[in-house]
Amino acid sequence: KQEVTQIPAALSVPEGENLVLNCSFTDSAIYNLQWFRQDPGKGLTSLLLIQSSQREQTSGRLNASLDKSSGRSTLYIAASQPGDSATYLCAVSMAQTGANNLFFGTGTRLTVIP
Amino acid sequence: NAGVMQNPRHLVRRRGQEARLRCSPMKGHSHVYWYRQLPEEGLKFMVYLQKENIIDESGMPKERFSAEFPKEGPSILRIQQVVRGDSAAYFCASSPRRNTGELFFGEGSRLTVL
Repeated sequence: KQEVTQIPAALSVPEGENLVLNCSFTDSAIYNLQWFRQDPGKGLTSLLLIQSSQREQTSGRLNASLDKSSGRSTLYIAASQPGDSATYLCAVSMAQTGANNLFFGTGTRLTVIP
Repeated sequence: NAGVMQNPRHLVRRRGQEARLRCSPMKGHSHVYWYRQLPEEGLKFMVYLQKENIIDESGMPKERFSAEFPKEGPSILRIQQVVRGDSAAYFCASSPRRNTGELFFGEGSRLTVL
């Protein structure tokens, strides 16, 4: 059974800092991995999707890496801004259950202090 | 193009009552997924539906829960005889195609059972 863990559970940084969020998963036979952003009382917004054959994806100030064999992914946020404050969720899918059946971590709650 | 619409956003029920949660997918999307987020837990897959068909209900509790996605109208998640443990945020996501990992989430319906 796939288990997804995110560390730390909460993180507070001053504006402008670079930061790394961590995600680990127990079953390395993943189909893909996604990072989502969730704002309080809101839905989820997909930030980056990495296919199992890829090593990383970049979008603006965000970079996500994937090391499938060790069951790890990181989300790097450069030059953090107060608007980045949110909960960041990592999710993986498995080939046997399909790309849209996601296993989520419990998230990292990020606060960027102005 | 409106996003995924869920209603009600907040629902309060007493133990033993029924809860009905509705989800209108994005225009042109025929694949709908329901996820549940219990307090302090990650989102967990419940059910995947395509118009008029349940494709995967492996995450649905065996009793009291049902889902449908009729030919016309929204998808409905129905919880009969609610208990306190059903209190959670229920998220709907839609996708234009199967198995792409491309999911668009609604803002969720928050159920509180008194």
